[in-house]
Amino acid sequence: QITLKESGPPLVKPTQTLTLTCTFSGFSLNTLGVGVGWIRQPPGKALEWLALLHWDDDERYSPFLKNRLTITKDTAKNQVVLTMTNMDPVDTATYYCAHRRGYFDFWGQGTLVTVSS
Amino acid sequence: QSALAQPASVSGSPGQSITISCTGTSSDVGGYDSVSWYQQHPGKAPKLIIYEVTNRPSGVSNRFSGSKSGNTASLTISGLQAEDEADYHCSSYTSSSTFEIFGGGTKLTVL
Repeated sequence: QITLKESGPPLVKPTQTLTLTCTFSGFSLNTLGVGVGWIRQPPGKALEWLALLHWDDDERYSPFLKNRLTITKDTAKNQVVLTMTNMDPVDTATYYCAHRRGYFDFWGQGTLVTVSS
Repeated sequence: QSALAQPASVSGSPGQSITISCTGTSSDVGGYDSVSWYQQHPGKAPKLIIYEVTNRPSGVSNRFSGSKSGNTASLTISGLQAEDEADYHCSSYTSSSTFEIFGGGTKLTVL
């Protein structure tokens, strides 16, 4: 059974760096073809893909946010970490991590991050 | 890159069928059989209901079906039920630097 869960601060101040952790179970990020991605959704708005880390350490980033994002993994802990620098109120959103094997088939419950001073 | 184009809202009565479109370009929807559809109820995470254009994950009702023609993918829900009322999002792999692109989402109302 594949599960994922996001964790991180619910509130960050403008210009701060956000660090989100995705803790997963039921699969290995060392498995051929598997990836873990991050997707966000501002309140009442559409989903937006942010970043993806593949089993072979290939990293992909949204070109609109590439300069602000870093995705890493801790295989021993079954975790994928996303950092986003220079946070702004427009970054207020629910952030999801998801298992990917060609498509996002399992999602975490999401974590709401509010950017406000 | 702009999001895939979806209608903002659609509606239908119980028992009817509805179709939601998802229009992209030859760099995404039209170029690859990598279209997915997600159902999202309020306050919940998206749930995969269609992958690779036409395939349903185990446990998803066969009332949901997907298709594609050219640069437009479609999700059809037949025999509408009250529980189908939700937001529906499409996505596609893209050969552009974006890698994965989502649609703007469609709110389905069951009248």
